[in-house]
Amino acid sequence: AQSVSQHNHHVILSEAASLELGCNYSYGGTVNLFWYVQYPGQHLQLLLKYFSGDPLVKGIKGFEAEFIKSKFSFNLRKPSVQWSDTAEYFCAVTRYNTDKLIFGTGTRLQVFP
Amino acid sequence: GAGVSQSPSNKVTEKGKDVELRCDPISGHTALYWYRQSLGQGLEFLIYFQGNSAPDKSGLPSDRFSAERTGGSVSTLTIQRTQQEDSAVYLCASSPKAGAYEQYFGPGTRLTVT
Repeated sequence: AQSVSQHNHHVILSEAASLELGCNYSYGGTVNLFWYVQYPGQHLQLLLKYFSGDPLVKGIKGFEAEFIKSKFSFNLRKPSVQWSDTAEYFCAVTRYNTDKLIFGTGTRLQVFP
Repeated sequence: GAGVSQSPSNKVTEKGKDVELRCDPISGHTALYWYRQSLGQGLEFLIYFQGNSAPDKSGLPSDRFSAERTGGSVSTLTIQRTQQEDSAVYLCASSPKAGAYEQYFGPGTRLTVT
């Protein structure tokens, strides 16, 4: 079935460790790609997005993601995580000519001081 | 400026009752979306409104679910004859218009069906 996959369900890191969260999608054609974050007790907010152009996109709070079309991937990275990055991270896709977000199952990140 | 607001923030209802959930999008945003976040299903699309176009209802799980958007602004999601599997957080989002735009999410309504 066509979907968005996040293979890391729960990631535990110490502060200053590097982070990479995987996201793969299985849709052909043009897609728009997003990473959303949900901090504890807060609503979903956008970290970064890719629509076109440079496949390496930078978002808020030092996050970046790289779109690799040949691998159908849009992995999220941060070189040095902080305790305040503890949250749930969702990868999402919209397909060309539709606007509904299709979400991955989410990755829960816990960062310990 | 004000973000997307939703009411109520929490709703507990008995199985079989009808519920209405409200969403106020960001002023000027013409596109409005409803999603559902539940433990078993994750985040799933329900319905989408864009301007005066017919809504995309392709994500509604059953005919017990309906939504309307009055005057191109406020939207109401109605669930009739609620079931326990309807328990979830219902999220509303809006964007400036259809297309490659960020969707801004509200805080959600947590629905518990007892």
